Amino acid sequence: KAGVTQTPRYLIKTRGQQVTLSCSPISGHRSVSWYQQTPGQGLQFLFEYFSETQRNKGNFPGRFSGRQFSNSRSEMNVSTLELGDSALYLCASSFGNYIEETQYFGPGTRLLVL
Amino acid sequence: GQQLNQSPQSMFIQEGEDVSMNCTSSSIFNTWLWYKQDPGEGPVLLIALYKAGELTSNGRLTAQFGITRKDSFLNISASIPSDVGIYFCAGITYGRYSGTYKYIFGTGTRLKVLA
Repeated sequence: KAGVTQTPRYLIKTRGQQVTLSCSPISGHRSVSWYQQTPGQGLQFLFEYFSETQRNKGNFPGRFSGRQFSNSRSEMNVSTLELGDSALYLCASSFGNYIEETQYFGPGTRLLVL
Repeated sequence: GQQLNQSPQSMFIQEGEDVSMNCTSSSIFNTWLWYKQDPGEGPVLLIALYKAGELTSNGRLTAQFGITRKDSFLNISASIPSDVGIYFCAGITYGRYSGTYKYIFGTGTRLKVLA
Protein backbone atom coordinates (compact mmCIF):
# COMPACT_ATOMS: atom_id res chain seq x y z
CA LYS A 1 0.00 0.00 0.00
CA ALA A 2 1.45 3.37 -1.03
CA GLY A 3 2.20 5.85 1.74
CA VAL A 4 1.28 9.49 2.07
CA THR A 5 2.76 11.57 -0.73
CA GLN A 6 3.39 15.31 -0.76
CA THR A 7 4.32 17.61 -3.59
CA PRO A 8 6.45 19.51 -4.12
CA ARG A 9 9.22 18.38 -1.76
CA TYR A 10 11.01 21.72 -1.84
CA LEU A 11 9.84 25.22 -2.61
CA ILE A 12 11.41 28.66 -2.56
CA LYS A 13 9.15 31.72 -2.56
CA THR A 14 9.49 35.39 -1.79
CA ARG A 15 7.58 37.44 0.74
CA GLY A 16 4.11 38.39 -0.37
CA GLN A 17 3.69 35.48 -2.74
CA GLN A 18 1.27 32.64 -2.19
CA VAL A 19 1.89 28.92 -2.27
CA THR A 20 -0.16 25.75 -2.64
CA LEU A 21 1.00 22.42 -1.28
CA SER A 22 -0.55 19.07 -2.13
CA CYS A 23 -1.06 15.89 -0.14
CA SER A 24 -2.35 12.49 -1.26
CA PRO A 25 -3.38 10.27 1.65
CA ILE A 26 -3.03 6.53 2.03
CA SER A 27 -5.73 4.73 0.06
CA GLY A 28 -8.83 4.35 2.23
CA HIS A 29 -7.91 7.19 4.58
CA ARG A 30 -10.45 9.98 4.62
CA SER A 31 -8.82 12.34 7.10
CA VAL A 32 -5.91 14.60 6.21
CA SER A 33 -4.20 16.79 8.79
CA TRP A 34 -1.62 19.48 8.14
CA TYR A 35 1.23 20.48 10.45
CA GLN A 36 3.91 23.15 10.41
CA GLN A 37 7.27 22.12 11.83
CA THR A 38 9.98 24.61 12.75
CA PRO A 39 13.07 24.05 14.90
CA GLY A 40 11.85 26.36 17.59
CA GLN A 41 8.15 25.44 17.73
CA GLY A 42 8.09 21.74 16.98
CA LEU A 43 5.01 20.26 15.33
CA GLN A 44 2.14 22.71 15.23
CA PHE A 45 -1.31 21.58 14.09
CA LEU A 46 -2.83 23.64 11.27
CA PHE A 47 -6.10 21.91 10.41
CA GLU A 48 -7.76 18.63 9.60
CA TYR A 49 -10.06 17.79 6.73
CA PHE A 50 -12.49 14.91 6.59
CA SER A 51 -14.96 14.24 3.79
CA GLU A 52 -14.15 17.57 2.15
CA THR A 53 -14.94 19.50 5.34
CA GLN A 54 -12.63 21.15 7.82
CA ARG A 55 -13.19 19.24 11.06
CA ASN A 56 -10.48 20.59 13.36
CA LYS A 57 -8.48 23.78 13.29
CA GLY A 58 -5.33 25.00 15.04
CA ASN A 59 -4.36 28.54 15.95
CA PHE A 60 -3.01 29.85 12.69
CA PRO A 61 -3.99 33.07 10.90
CA GLY A 62 -6.47 33.11 8.06
CA ARG A 63 -3.60 33.27 5.54
CA PHE A 64 -3.39 29.52 6.01
CA SER A 65 -6.24 27.67 4.35
CA GLY A 66 -6.92 24.27 2.96
CA ARG A 67 -9.37 22.12 1.13
CA GLN A 68 -10.04 18.49 0.47
CA PHE A 69 -11.31 16.89 -2.69
CA SER A 70 -13.74 14.01 -3.12
CA ASN A 71 -10.84 11.57 -3.58
CA SER A 72 -9.51 12.70 -0.14
CA ARG A 73 -6.52 14.49 -1.64
CA SER A 74 -5.88 17.76 0.14
CA GLU A 75 -4.26 21.07 -0.65
CA MET A 76 -2.96 23.71 1.69
CA ASN A 77 -2.61 27.32 0.65
CA VAL A 78 -0.63 30.08 2.31
CA SER A 79 -1.24 33.58 1.02
CA THR A 80 0.90 36.68 1.50
CA LEU A 81 3.91 34.71 2.61
CA GLU A 82 6.05 35.98 5.48
CA LEU A 83 9.63 35.07 6.36
CA GLY A 84 8.35 33.24 9.43
CA ASP A 85 6.39 30.85 7.23
CA SER A 86 9.61 29.08 6.30
CA ALA A 87 9.15 25.58 7.67
CA LEU A 88 8.63 21.94 6.91
CA TYR A 89 4.94 21.38 6.16
CA LEU A 90 3.76 17.89 6.91
CA CYS A 91 0.51 16.22 6.12
CA ALA A 92 -0.73 13.09 7.82
CA SER A 93 -3.60 10.81 6.94
CA SER A 94 -5.81 8.53 9.00
CA PHE A 95 -9.14 6.71 8.69
CA GLY A 96 -10.85 9.56 10.54
CA ASN A 97 -13.47 7.28 12.08
CA TYR A 98 -12.67 7.99 15.76
CA ILE A 99 -11.98 4.28 16.23
CA GLU A 100 -8.45 4.11 14.94
CA GLU A 101 -6.95 7.52 14.49
CA THR A 102 -3.28 6.70 14.08
CA GLN A 103 -1.80 9.24 11.70
CA TYR A 104 0.74 8.39 9.03
CA PHE A 105 2.94 11.21 7.79
CA GLY A 106 4.17 12.17 4.37
CA PRO A 107 7.76 13.22 3.69
CA GLY A 108 6.89 16.90 3.95
CA THR A 109 7.33 20.00 1.81
CA ARG A 110 10.17 22.25 2.84
CA LEU A 111 9.21 25.85 2.18
CA LEU A 112 11.78 28.63 2.21
CA VAL A 113 10.51 32.20 2.10
CA LEU A 114 13.07 34.83 1.08
CA GLY B 1 -0.08 25.22 20.71
CA GLN B 2 -0.29 22.58 23.40
CA GLN B 3 2.60 20.09 23.57
CA LEU B 4 3.46 17.13 25.74
CA ASN B 5 6.45 17.21 28.08
CA GLN B 6 9.05 14.92 26.58
CA SER B 7 12.42 14.15 28.15
CA PRO B 8 15.24 14.17 27.71
CA GLN B 9 15.42 16.88 25.06
CA SER B 10 18.56 15.37 23.61
CA MET B 11 20.99 12.61 24.39
CA PHE B 12 24.33 11.34 23.17
CA ILE B 13 24.93 7.66 23.71
CA GLN B 14 27.47 5.05 22.73
CA GLU B 15 26.56 2.38 20.20
CA GLY B 16 25.25 -0.67 22.01
CA GLU B 17 23.78 1.24 24.95
CA ASP B 18 20.12 1.19 25.87
CA VAL B 19 18.06 4.38 25.59
CA SER B 20 15.01 5.47 27.51
CA MET B 21 12.76 8.48 26.93
CA ASN B 22 9.35 9.45 28.22
CA CYS B 23 6.38 11.72 27.75
CA THR B 24 4.20 13.10 30.49
CA SER B 25 1.05 15.14 30.59
CA SER B 26 -1.48 16.51 33.01
CA SER B 27 -4.22 15.21 30.70
CA ILE B 28 -5.48 11.71 30.07
CA PHE B 29 -5.03 10.18 26.63
CA ASN B 30 -6.83 7.33 24.88
CA THR B 31 -3.91 6.48 22.62
CA TRP B 32 -0.15 7.00 22.77
CA LEU B 33 2.06 6.91 19.70
CA TRP B 34 5.79 7.05 19.15
CA TYR B 35 7.33 8.38 15.93
CA LYS B 36 10.88 8.73 14.64
CA GLN B 37 11.87 11.53 12.28
CA ASP B 38 15.01 11.59 10.18
CA PRO B 39 16.37 14.96 9.02
CA GLY B 40 14.25 16.48 6.24
CA GLU B 41 11.71 13.67 6.33
CA GLY B 42 8.30 13.16 7.87
CA PRO B 43 7.83 11.28 11.16
CA VAL B 44 7.52 7.52 10.80
CA LEU B 45 5.25 5.61 13.17
CA LEU B 46 7.19 3.21 15.42
CA ILE B 47 4.68 1.97 17.99
CA ALA B 48 1.01 2.60 18.79
CA LEU B 49 -0.48 1.94 22.25
CA TYR B 50 -4.23 1.76 22.82
CA LYS B 51 -4.77 0.57 26.41
CA ALA B 52 -3.53 1.72 29.79
CA GLY B 53 -0.72 -0.55 30.94
CA GLU B 54 -0.10 -1.91 27.45
CA LEU B 55 3.50 -2.89 26.74
CA THR B 56 4.37 -3.29 23.05
CA SER B 57 7.61 -4.15 21.28
CA ASN B 58 8.80 -3.55 17.74
CA GLY B 59 12.20 -5.14 17.30
CA ARG B 60 14.61 -3.39 19.64
CA LEU B 61 11.95 -0.84 20.61
CA THR B 62 9.61 -1.24 23.54
CA ALA B 63 6.96 1.26 24.60
CA GLN B 64 4.43 1.34 27.41
CA PHE B 65 1.14 3.16 27.95
CA GLY B 66 1.19 4.44 31.53
CA ILE B 67 -1.38 3.11 33.99
CA THR B 68 -2.60 6.63 34.76
CA ARG B 69 -2.99 7.25 30.99
CA LYS B 70 -0.98 10.44 31.47
CA ASP B 71 2.42 9.14 30.41
CA SER B 72 4.32 6.80 28.14
CA PHE B 73 7.89 5.70 27.71
CA LEU B 74 9.98 4.35 24.86
CA ASN B 75 13.06 2.15 25.28
CA ILE B 76 15.58 1.34 22.59
CA SER B 77 17.88 -1.55 23.36
CA ALA B 78 21.39 -2.04 21.98
CA SER B 79 21.38 1.21 20.00
CA ILE B 80 22.97 1.38 16.56
CA PRO B 81 24.08 4.41 14.50
CA SER B 82 20.90 4.40 12.38
CA ASP B 83 18.83 5.03 15.52
CA VAL B 84 19.93 8.66 15.29
CA GLY B 85 17.03 11.05 14.76
CA ILE B 86 14.28 12.84 16.62
CA TYR B 87 11.74 10.77 18.51
CA PHE B 88 8.28 12.22 19.10
CA CYS B 89 5.53 10.98 21.32
CA ALA B 90 1.91 11.83 20.53
CA GLY B 91 -1.24 11.47 22.56
CA ILE B 92 -4.77 11.28 21.22
CA THR B 93 -7.91 12.12 23.13
CA TYR B 94 -11.35 11.39 21.76
CA GLY B 95 -14.37 13.47 22.50
CA ARG B 96 -16.91 10.99 21.22
CA TYR B 97 -19.90 13.01 22.37
CA SER B 98 -18.47 16.23 20.98
CA GLY B 99 -17.42 14.40 17.85
CA THR B 100 -13.86 15.64 17.97
CA TYR B 101 -10.43 14.33 18.76
CA LYS B 102 -7.22 16.06 19.73
CA TYR B 103 -3.76 15.00 18.65
CA ILE B 104 -0.95 16.42 20.83
CA PHE B 105 2.74 15.97 20.10
CA GLY B 106 5.70 15.91 22.43
CA THR B 107 8.57 18.35 22.06
CA GLY B 108 10.88 15.62 20.74
CA THR B 109 14.01 13.83 21.92
CA ARG B 110 17.04 14.25 19.69
CA LEU B 111 19.14 11.09 19.80
CA LYS B 112 22.74 10.91 18.66
CA VAL B 113 24.59 7.60 18.68
CA LEU B 114 28.36 7.57 18.80
CA ALA B 115 29.92 4.63 17.00
